[in-house]
Amino acid sequence: NAGVTQTPKFQVLKTGQSMTLQCAQDMNHNSMYWYRQDPGMGLRLIYYSASEGTTDKGEVPNGYNVSRLNKREFSLRLESAAPSQTSVYFCASVLTGGELFFGEGSRLTVL
Amino acid sequence: KQEVTQIPAALSVPEGENLVLNCSFTDSAIYNLQWFRQDPGKGLTSLLLIQSSQREQTSGRLNASLDKSSGRSTLYIAASQPGDSATYLCAVDGGSYIPTFGRGTSLIVHP
Repeated sequence: NAGVTQTPKFQVLKTGQSMTLQCAQDMNHNSMYWYRQDPGMGLRLIYYSASEGTTDKGEVPNGYNVSRLNKREFSLRLESAAPSQTSVYFCASVLTGGELFFGEGSRLTVL
Repeated sequence: KQEVTQIPAALSVPEGENLVLNCSFTDSAIYNLQWFRQDPGKGLTSLLLIQSSQREQTSGRLNASLDKSSGRSTLYIAASQPGDSATYLCAVDGGSYIPTFGRGTSLIVHP
């Protein structure tokens, strides 16, 4: 049982480049989330998907887009990366009312 | 809007001490509360999940309690060890599909 899998684990981009962070869960969870974590800022919600076919903005959605491809997969896209998007990104999933599980994180540096 | 506060922000204790980490929340209408551990450079690992109908949960040396009426949860760590050094976060599920996280307590247990 792999849980929540994120790829890539590390990425370096130049300003203006685009990339997609992938997230997949194998626990048949209905809700999935993308967070970013920065020193002194805690976890901040970027986007979430309460169920397959729906996505909603979180606290810091600017500069990001998401796709809930199916029940298992939830991707995060940076269309034009900026240095302010240098961060550690976490994907999480949960079955409503249950235990929240996190991936291991994706460390992104934008030069 | 739910707000979650964790006190203290940092804690340093000698090995062997019993210690208590605190988590307070402003809206008592919650589904559950979850405690996580995060090691430096790593993802969040779930420690304990307490449903709203429960008063406490135990796992090994860890015991988490929940008092909804006062908006408080405590994580008790018995006989602390250097391996317990990490950041501990609590998250509250208020039923809105968006868990609310505290900023965490950074714990150092020195030999």
